Amino acid sequence: SQKIEQNSEALNIQEGKTATLTCNYTNYSPAYLQWYRQDPGRGPVFLLLIRENEKEKRKERLKVTFDTTLKQSLFHITASQPADSATYLCALPLSGGYQKVTFGTGTKLQVIP
Amino acid sequence: EAGVAQSPRYKIIEKRQSVAFWCNPISGHATLYWYQQILGQGPKLLIQFQNNGVVDDSQLPKDRFSAERLKGVDSTLKIQPAKLEDSAVYLCASSLEAEPQHFGDGTRLSIL
Repeated sequence: SQKIEQNSEALNIQEGKTATLTCNYTNYSPAYLQWYRQDPGRGPVFLLLIRENEKEKRKERLKVTFDTTLKQSLFHITASQPADSATYLCALPLSGGYQKVTFGTGTKLQVIP
Repeated sequence: EAGVAQSPRYKIIEKRQSVAFWCNPISGHATLYWYQQILGQGPKLLIQFQNNGVVDDSQLPKDRFSAERLKGVDSTLKIQPAKLEDSAVYLCASSLEAEPQHFGDGTRLSIL
């Protein structure tokens, strides 16, 4: 069955360093992959979408890579700040439509001042 | 633009009672989703509407959950009767065609 894996352990990182989060998937051949940010008590907020024919996507301090051979996406936050502390979710499309996605469990990032 | 509005923010009920959640999507968004998010997990899709028609309700426990989207705008999700395992955050999201989803802040449901 299709499965998405994100590191369930929290990631603690010093302010100013680069945070790297991993999303692995099995039994998928997704056309794209999305990353969302979720703060406590809030709904997820869309950050980036990367398509299968794109190796890398950037937005300000964010960078996402997509390796369809390894079945893995990496999400990087450079020059991390305490305000980047949140849970980050990856999402892949469900079969049957462009707009339906299934979410990973998320990785909680804590940036320490 | 105004975001996705949900109410109530919190709800506490006893098991076997009924409860309803309301969602007002972003204006013009034809697609509306309801998700269940259990603590420590990612959101799980319950039902997807396209305008006022159901596109996918394969993961909706239909013996106790129901949802409707009248006139293709607002939507309500109902649970009757509630079970202890229904304790979760219920998120509503909306989107334009082929665009990422915009989420509301959810309703946190606690079952006693």
